[in-house]
Order: sequence, then C-alpha cells, then structure tokens
Amino acid sequence: SQTIHQWPATLVQPVGSPLSLECTVEGTSNPNLYWYRQAAGRGLQLLFYSVGIGQISSEVPQNLSASRPQDRQFILSSKKLLLSDSGFYLCAWSVRGQGRRYEQYFGPGTRLTVT
Amino acid sequence: SQQGEEDPQALSIQEGENATMNCSYKTSINNLQWYRQNSGRGLVHLILIRSNEREKHSGRLRVTLDTSKKSSSLLITASRAADTASYFCATVTNTGNQFYFGTGTSLTVIP
Repeated sequence: SQTIHQWPATLVQPVGSPLSLECTVEGTSNPNLYWYRQAAGRGLQLLFYSVGIGQISSEVPQNLSASRPQDRQFILSSKKLLLSDSGFYLCAWSVRGQGRRYEQYFGPGTRLTVT
Repeated sequence: SQQGEEDPQALSIQEGENATMNCSYKTSINNLQWYRQNSGRGLVHLILIRSNEREKHSGRLRVTLDTSKKSSSLLITASRAADTASYFCATVTNTGNQFYFGTGTSLTVIP
C-alpha cells in the first residue's frame, strides 16, 4: 500500500533562517506531487506541483521554492523565512495518467511557526 | 489561487440531522472532489464526481454537481458526532495535474 511521509511535524524557526521540509512517498511510482499551505482556519493554497523529477510548477510568487531530486521525494525550501510563511504545510500525491482517478493522498502536515 | 468557495463557512447541527454544504467554482473542470480534515491533520478523500455526472452516493454521503451553475453540494445524512471536521471541495483541471481547494466548511455535530 502507499504511504506518504512528511517531516518534521512541527517547526519553530526565526525570521531570516532557512527552511527545508521533506516529503516522501512509498508504494507508488511516477506520482504527481504537491505542496500546499493552509493558514489558520483557511483553505489550502496550492504552492507547487510536480509531474516528474526536476519538473516543478509554481502557482504563486513567493519566498519559497521546491525541488524533486528523486521520483518520490519532494522538498520545500526557503533561503530566508518571513513571518508570513507561518502555516500548516501539506504534501500530497496523486496518480498520474489519463483515465485514472485523480484523488489526492495527503501527508500528516508540518506546522511551521516563524518567530 | 483557490478556485472553490464553500458555504456556509461554519455549520452546527444536532446529531441525527442532515448537513448540507455547497461549493462554487470558476472554470472548467475534469472532476470535483470532497475532502475531510480533522483539526491539525491532513485531508482525507471522501468522494469524487466527474464533470459528466450529476449525482453520486457513497454511504451517508450524497454529492451533486451542476456544471451549468459551476456548483456542487455535499449532503451528509444522519450525522454523527464523529463527522465533526472541516470539509473542502477541490476541483481538478482538465490536465488532471492541478487541484484547487475551496475555503472549507467547518461542521460541528452536537451529540
């Protein structure tokens, strides 16, 4: 069966510090991968998605970047965190390909607080 | 940017009552999905309805889709306290690669 891992679960970082959040998927190949941010009490904002190794699409201009060094690994980074980067970050994957069901499977999330 | 908008933002009902949540979206879609999120957790997929479908059932869940109005509704029948959570609709583009989530409805079921 498929499993998605995200770490760390919680993170407190000072303004200006770097960030690296990691997401890995097990039990599937060639997934689409996604990073979302959820502000407190709000919906999910799609940040990045990837359809393959090294292929990253950014949805909104921001202080963050994403990379996909391996098929089932997705990394969210920042060189210098801002207060506005605080939030709940969720990684997700979905099956790629025409005619497939497109449901997404979410990781447990990382709660980031920038102080 | 987020494509869907749910209403109401918050809903409080007694156990056993039905809960209805609505979702509106802006552009053409391949399908629309509903997800559930318990506080501080990841989202869990509930049900998917394709753009050529009008209604779908799964257990106590009933979803409708009106593509002419660009809207969908989720009905939870005979609600239980365990249904307390936030519910989000998500639309999937025709490429199948991009998901856009709504702002969510927070449902509280009072025992």
